[in-house]
Amino acid sequence: NAGVTQTPKFQVLKTGQSMTLQCAQDMNHEYMSWYRQDPGMGLRLIHYSVGAGITDQGEVPNGYNVSRSTTEDFPLRLLSAAPSQTSVYFCASKGQAATNEKLFFGSGTQLSVL
Amino acid sequence: AQSVAQPEDQVNVAEGNPLTVKCTYSVSGNPYLFWYVQYPNRGLQFLLKYITGDNLVKGSYGFEAEFNKSQTSFHLKKPSALVSDSALYFCAVRDFSSGYSTLTFGKGTMLLVSP
Repeated sequence: NAGVTQTPKFQVLKTGQSMTLQCAQDMNHEYMSWYRQDPGMGLRLIHYSVGAGITDQGEVPNGYNVSRSTTEDFPLRLLSAAPSQTSVYFCASKGQAATNEKLFFGSGTQLSVL
Repeated sequence: AQSVAQPEDQVNVAEGNPLTVKCTYSVSGNPYLFWYVQYPNRGLQFLLKYITGDNLVKGSYGFEAEFNKSQTSFHLKKPSALVSDSALYFCAVRDFSSGYSTLTFGKGTMLLVSP
């Protein structure tokens, strides 16, 4: 059981480039989400999904796209990277049971946009 | 919308001493509260949660948290700190404002335990 796997661990982009951050989980979790972590800001929710084919925006969705074609995968796309998107990105998942609020986090992707 | 506040950016404590990391919350309805810990270069790990029941909740690694409804607080505690407890701690609240259940996190408190 690998849990939540994020790739890559590190990435440097130039302004305007696009890229996709990958996230996969092998726990058959229905709920998946993306957070960004910035100093002094804590974690802020970008997008989330409650099942295949269903996605919704979080607190800071601008500049990011997501899709959920399978239960296992939830990629995060940066369409045109900006320096303001320099951050550490975390993917997290959990089961959908009403009382199951324990989020499982990946180890993060550190992104720098120059 | 639900929110949590962590008033301290950093807490310093000597090994063996009790520690407290503070969290206050603002919710409509019954609060669902959580603590997570982040060790360096790692993702967050679940420590404990309060849904209902006893105001003192026990979690992983000897941590506990006290729910206080009148003070709208959910402080994290440990009777005797270890150097290995040094990490970034996040308080979180269940948020239903979007119609689905998401977690809203505080800004985090860095705990430094000195030998």
